[in-house]
Amino acid sequence: DTGVSQDPRHKITKRGQNVTFRCDPISEHNRLYWYRQTLGQGPEFLTYFQNEAQLEKSRLLSDRFSAERPKGSFSTLEIQRTEQGDSAMYLCASSFGDGRNQPQHFGDGTRLSIL
Amino acid sequence: GNSVTQMEGPVTLSEEAFLTINCTYTATGYPSLFWYVQYPGEGLQLLLKATKADDKGSNKGFEATYRKETTSFHLEKGSVQVSDSAVYFCALRNTGGFKTIFGAGTRLFVKA
Repeated sequence: DTGVSQDPRHKITKRGQNVTFRCDPISEHNRLYWYRQTLGQGPEFLTYFQNEAQLEKSRLLSDRFSAERPKGSFSTLEIQRTEQGDSAMYLCASSFGDGRNQPQHFGDGTRLSIL
Repeated sequence: GNSVTQMEGPVTLSEEAFLTINCTYTATGYPSLFWYVQYPGEGLQLLLKATKADDKGSNKGFEATYRKETTSFHLEKGSVQVSDSAVYFCALRNTGGFKTIFGAGTRLFVKA
């Protein structure tokens, strides 16, 4: 399977713990995006990488969130001191180029549940 | 700003019925429009796209036409199957934009 891969699929943790998610994009894609999806809603943009450079961050991404893409390949999203409101599906997407005609290809997501 | 509005669900249909899911958008410039589908427990899959006015995107029996005059991109299928049960998201990407703007999604249930 050469699609976008995310790990883990599910994460259950206690409030206050730190969590880290990983995304492996489609290999030739140089753009990588993180979105958050809450129940009954469409995905909301969090952040965007072009190669290893993080070019944009949403206001949704508080100081407790950090994302990296160290070598322009896989990316990690870390949430520190998790809160109940962080419970959501975290989706990663990738594309080749960021022109408006380039669709973003999504992984299956990581579902985070905060106890 | 850019936004997408979809009809609220759930939509419940019998197998072989005709499907329409309405989608309208607000955007400056000339966005590309997309429909994504999300099956239970999975991520989003691109269903179809249209990049300019009057373009028709089509895939797996689904189609949608980019209507600039009505700022709409309604999804249609002539005969739905049980396997089409999923959540459908209308979305846009605008000129110079890097993020996709999604509607809230419309859940479709198809009964045998």
